[in-house]
Amino acid sequence: EAQVTQNPRYLITVTGKKLTVTCSQNMNHEYMSWYRQDPGLGLRQIYYSMNVEVTDKGDVPEGYKVSRKEKRNFPLILESPSPNQTSLYFCASSLDSGSWYSGELFFGEGSRLTVL
Amino acid sequence: AQKVTQAQTEISVVEKEDVTLDCVYETRDTTYYLFWYKQPPSGELVFLIRRNSFDEQNEISGRYSWNFQKSTSSFNFTITASQVVDSAVYFCALSEAMRANNLFFGTGTRLTVIP
Repeated sequence: EAQVTQNPRYLITVTGKKLTVTCSQNMNHEYMSWYRQDPGLGLRQIYYSMNVEVTDKGDVPEGYKVSRKEKRNFPLILESPSPNQTSLYFCASSLDSGSWYSGELFFGEGSRLTVL
Repeated sequence: AQKVTQAQTEISVVEKEDVTLDCVYETRDTTYYLFWYKQPPSGELVFLIRRNSFDEQNEISGRYSWNFQKSTSSFNFTITASQVVDSAVYFCALSEAMRANNLFFGTGTRLTVIP
């Protein structure tokens, strides 16, 4: 089954404790990205990756890191989480990273993170 | 810069009523894409439709229909004969040609259908 898998789905952590949210897709997609969803703000893009070893900042990258060492994985790293990073996080992938939209953007089921 | 406005924060309707969710967008690109996603209470994002800027045809899919008007920069979504299962948050989104997969979302409209 084609899917984008995020882990963990739920996490409560404390300020400053490094954490990683993993994202994996099994569709051989070139493009992957991370969004965060906050009440009243909709979804905002954090980082995206057009292909392996190619990443770029989205609209709200501060406090986050990403890496794309393999095509299927795109982990989101919070080096020193703070309470303002409490949010619902979505990973997404798409077949083509080109300028013309060629296919659906597949979203993971979301990871709800709480930073105390 | 791009912008998507969903002015309706919350809407409540009684089952079987029709409801229209508004979406107004801003972009300087002449080539762009518009989307609607549904987020049910379970939290996942469900893709509903994509429309490119060259295709102004309205679309109907069952009880759902979309009205795209470039002249008013709007891409409105109508649910006919609403059902309780339509209760969800609905997001309108925009992407521009050179970064077509980078979606810029509106703030969402929470629709509650009352039985």
